[in-house]
Amino acid sequence: DQQVKQNSPSLSVQEGRISILNCDYTNSMFDYFLWYKKYPAEGPTFLISISSIKDKNEDGRFTVFLNKSAKHLSLHIVPSQPGDSAVYFCAASAGNTPLVFGKGTRLSVIA
Amino acid sequence: GAGVSQSPSNKVTEKGKDVELRCDPISGHTALYWYRQSLGQGLEFLIYFQGNSAPDKSGLPSDRFSAERTGGSVSTLTIQRTQQEDSAVYLCASSLVGAGRAGATQYFGPGTRLTVL
Repeated sequence: DQQVKQNSPSLSVQEGRISILNCDYTNSMFDYFLWYKKYPAEGPTFLISISSIKDKNEDGRFTVFLNKSAKHLSLHIVPSQPGDSAVYFCAASAGNTPLVFGKGTRLSVIA
Repeated sequence: GAGVSQSPSNKVTEKGKDVELRCDPISGHTALYWYRQSLGQGLEFLIYFQGNSAPDKSGLPSDRFSAERTGGSVSTLTIQRTQQEDSAVYLCASSLVGAGRAGATQYFGPGTRLTVL
């Protein structure tokens, strides 16, 4: 049973527009959420995180929103750039436990 | 500074052979994690080392899989009697502190692509 779900395997966005990547989770004990970006043949790279005590965290072009009642989080990238094209993984943890990852969403930013 | 390194980058082996995958974490990081990513799947947690505590082996898929971490630094993941379903990218990550704590952001190595023929 997947505890972290990324229901869109892929997403295409035009350069300059907003990219919205979504993630749903089932475990109400999750209290820390992260987004990782992965380029081909490289390991995932940490992008941004959010604690369950917040509903928004912003870092430059990247903003993560958390809706605890809906068990949903999203990553907004604006404006999107071709270099943002990668696979994005949502991850979550509950207390002192390792991260649980979603299957990823492949983002393609078209110039 | 140096990131997490893994070796080999690629490994092709025959079914039934044993393989060893190596991970060098970032110096000073107390926590080390192994994951694997099969084709079309997300990252599957395998094992987690934190300081001198007993490792969390809850993600190991079978007793053919084992891992050790020597001297609190380098880790080796061993797969005995490899099967074709073991083919995946094996990723190692390290963090400054243990999971669930501030500063526990995990930094990943480039992975080892294992192909079992």
